[in-house]
Amino acid sequence: DQQVKQNSPSLSVQEGRISILNCDYTNSMFDYFLWYKKYPAEGPTFLISISSIKDKNEDGRFTVFLNKSAKHLSLHIVPSQPGDSAVYFCAASGGGADGLTFGKGTHLIIQP
Amino acid sequence: GAVVSQHPSWVICKSGTSVKIECRSLDFQATTMFWYRQFPKQSLMLMATSNEGSKATYEQGVEKDKFLINHASLTLSTLTVTSAHPEDSSFYICSASERGQGIQYFGAGTRLSVL
Repeated sequence: DQQVKQNSPSLSVQEGRISILNCDYTNSMFDYFLWYKKYPAEGPTFLISISSIKDKNEDGRFTVFLNKSAKHLSLHIVPSQPGDSAVYFCAASGGGADGLTFGKGTHLIIQP
Repeated sequence: GAVVSQHPSWVICKSGTSVKIECRSLDFQATTMFWYRQFPKQSLMLMATSNEGSKATYEQGVEKDKFLINHASLTLSTLTVTSAHPEDSSFYICSASERGQGIQYFGAGTRLSVL
């Protein structure tokens, strides 16, 4: 049973527009959520996180929104740049020293 | 800051041999390190959680006698794949977090190919 779901395997966005990546989770014990960016044959790079006590966190071009009642979070990237093309993973944990549960990732393609 | 180094990046070995992978936190003390595995076009799956000075906690279905984890210091954890077989071929990635921090920083991963 997949506890973290990213239902879009890929997403194509024009350069300069907004990219919105979605993630749903089923485990109500999750209280910390993270987004990672990953290139092939490399480890994930941390982008942004959010605690369950918040509904929004912003860092530069990246904003994460959390809707606890819907068990849904999203990552907004604006404006999208060619260097943003990568696979984006949503991850969740119970916080602290818990391991992360990852979604299957969304391949974001930024078109010029 | 928050750099995690993983070595080697790629290893090829014969079936039946053992392979050791090192994971180091370079600029912070990692009270907890994690080991993940990723199959092609799949997500990262947590294998085990390693706390400095204590035994690792393995996820269900992960053989602790096959995947030996040692977390001898606050900056180093090792994963040894013992008696490797072709089905162990995969991409292994470690991560580390500072005390009380939920953010995990990942190494670059190790591609293991067992012939």
